Amino acid sequence: GQNIDQPTEMTATEGAIVQINCTYQTSGFNGLFWYQQHAGEAPTFLSYNVLDGLEEKGRFSSFLSRSKGYSYLLLKELQMKDSASYLCAVRDGDYKLSFGAGTTVTVRA
Amino acid sequence: GAVVSQHPSWVICKSGTSVKIECRSLDFQATTMFWYRQFPKQSLMLMATSNEGSKATYEQGVEKDKFLINHASLTLSTLTVTSAHPEDSSFYICSARELAGYEQYFGPGTRLTVT
Repeated sequence: GQNIDQPTEMTATEGAIVQINCTYQTSGFNGLFWYQQHAGEAPTFLSYNVLDGLEEKGRFSSFLSRSKGYSYLLLKELQMKDSASYLCAVRDGDYKLSFGAGTTVTVRA
Repeated sequence: GAVVSQHPSWVICKSGTSVKIECRSLDFQATTMFWYRQFPKQSLMLMATSNEGSKATYEQGVEKDKFLINHASLTLSTLTVTSAHPEDSSFYICSARELAGYEQYFGPGTRLTVT
């Protein structure tokens, strides 16, 4: 099975940086995904890591360390519209995704 | 980018009735589709995986006779909630994967309310 942990809530100021950590213990690993989800909507894809290291995509970056079972999502230059839930998801060898409980990020002016 | 649609976007039904939710991949062929359920303030829980032309694989604890899944074509999968009860009220989301792709594309979700 999969055990995926991430903080429940985080608050940051507009323009700041926030780092959301995710640790996982899985029976199989075939990639780690980060999704953004606004209330009442489906998740939208943010990033994908399958090898160790940092993937940068504009204001969003994601890091993976497979040996440590650890990833983080870095959000830079926070904007009010970034207030949402951020989901860490691990994919197994059958392409099934297991999601963490999600981290609710609140951006304050 | 790849687009997945769901229909209906929301539905209200009476207890004991059945509801069908459709998931379509609009511009790609989805060899695999996934069905998730999300309760308020909780994360997505995978219910089942369906591959075109074969029976769905259900996750532990999901009743296959209650949640009927059909994946008859490479662009359409359906989830039928049979004999719905208020506890089945939830947000149902599908996703689809191309054969050669690594990403799952999510549909917009269907909000089911059983009264």
